[in-house]
Amino acid sequence: RKEVEQDPGPFNVPEGATVAFNCTYSNSASQSFFWYRQDCRKEPKLLMSVYSSGNEDGRFTAQLNRASQYISLLIRDSKLSDSATYLCVVNMANYQLIWGAGTKLIIKP
Amino acid sequence: GAVVSQHPSRVICKSGTSVKIECRSLDFQATTMFWYRQFPKQSLMLMATSNEGSKATYEQGVEKDKFLINHASLTLSTLTVTSAHPEDSSFYICSARDIAGNQETQYFGPGTRLLVL
Repeated sequence: RKEVEQDPGPFNVPEGATVAFNCTYSNSASQSFFWYRQDCRKEPKLLMSVYSSGNEDGRFTAQLNRASQYISLLIRDSKLSDSATYLCVVNMANYQLIWGAGTKLIIKP
Repeated sequence: GAVVSQHPSRVICKSGTSVKIECRSLDFQATTMFWYRQFPKQSLMLMATSNEGSKATYEQGVEKDKFLINHASLTLSTLTVTSAHPEDSSFYICSARDIAGNQETQYFGPGTRLLVL
């Protein structure tokens, strides 16, 4: 079993719709969690951290469920510019980052 | 935000040659830099952790004699792919942690695309 698993997609979503995807992690000792966005042939960029109580940044909402060991990302009112690969990242106690393979999102006009 | 640069952005070389990739933190100091490799449609895989002034720590399965890492200053780490072969073709990305900032945040360089013919 992979340490961090994501549905690779692609998720094809019409512009304006709401889309959500999850990421599961296997190590219960994981300390912190992040969502990164990676555009084609570019480096990953931090989208948002994920806090235990859940957090929101504009149209983006992240949730953490420690009991079930998954995190989620919800995007509301999706824009064409949201098309990208979304990477789930888990930070271990020694600051080592474990990366998911990413979920590809395609927003269609 | 913090800026990390990489050079070159892309390189094409013949099999058997060595390629050096530079990673620089432009506006902060980084005692630790990380080197990742990403094959198409796969996740980033950590290759090694580069520590300023000491030897790099390599992940399992990464040959330290093939991927030479030097972290001579608080703003520069280099990765040299020695005797590169076509299977080394990949996207190499470095990242750096700001020693003065949030230790959980890594700032990524723009990546170097290596193609070995």
